[in-house]
Amino acid sequence: DSGVTQTPKHLITATGQRVTLRCSPRSGDLSVYWYQQSLDQGLQFLIQYYNGEERAKGNILERFSAQQFPDLHSELNLSSLELGDSALYFCASSVDIYYEQYFGPGTRLTVT
Amino acid sequence: AQSVTQPDIHITVSEGASLELRCNYSYGATPYLFWYVQSPGQGLQLLLKYFSGDTLVQGIKGFEAEFKRSQSSFNLRKPSVHWSDAAEYFCAVGSPITQGGSEKLVFGKGTKLTVNP
Repeated sequence: DSGVTQTPKHLITATGQRVTLRCSPRSGDLSVYWYQQSLDQGLQFLIQYYNGEERAKGNILERFSAQQFPDLHSELNLSSLELGDSALYFCASSVDIYYEQYFGPGTRLTVT
Repeated sequence: AQSVTQPDIHITVSEGASLELRCNYSYGATPYLFWYVQSPGQGLQLLLKYFSGDTLVQGIKGFEAEFKRSQSSFNLRKPSVHWSDAAEYFCAVGSPITQGGSEKLVFGKGTKLTVNP
């Protein structure tokens, strides 16, 4: 158990819908990262937050957004969902910017 | 841009045999390097990391990896594989912000390990 929690574990929704994925980092970690894992693209970095502020962006679609709250938990919002958004979404956290990242168990999103 | 290549998509070894998983990276400066393992339906577990110093690093579960700057490699090894090691293994490179890179992990495509009894 990495100490990073993600909810829900599974999510099934229809195209065009909007969902919110939630992540709680390890106690004491200030940095939260979101990654998408799909069969064709592999593991791709989406976005990073550090102590409530956005720090880095990767291959994140405009339909996706994220935020980190004062209690350091983070949410990833996916809207206007398409079939191709079906993937595993991982949250990771680290104590600071240059430290190793610890991953949560992931949320499996299925868009039908 | 940084990139990571894991040349072997799938490797099969017998239980008790030694294991080496290959990883090559492309990065202009001193990289931060990681190996993660993912069991089916699970998240990624950090096996070991290299930041600086001794080029042979020890990790959990009896794994080790050696950083070779001249070959841009960070291969993962285990002297004797157990059936429970069957999983997918990912090599990743990180970029420290002080060198102008972004703060993210770039992953290889992974190597799936099958262990025969």
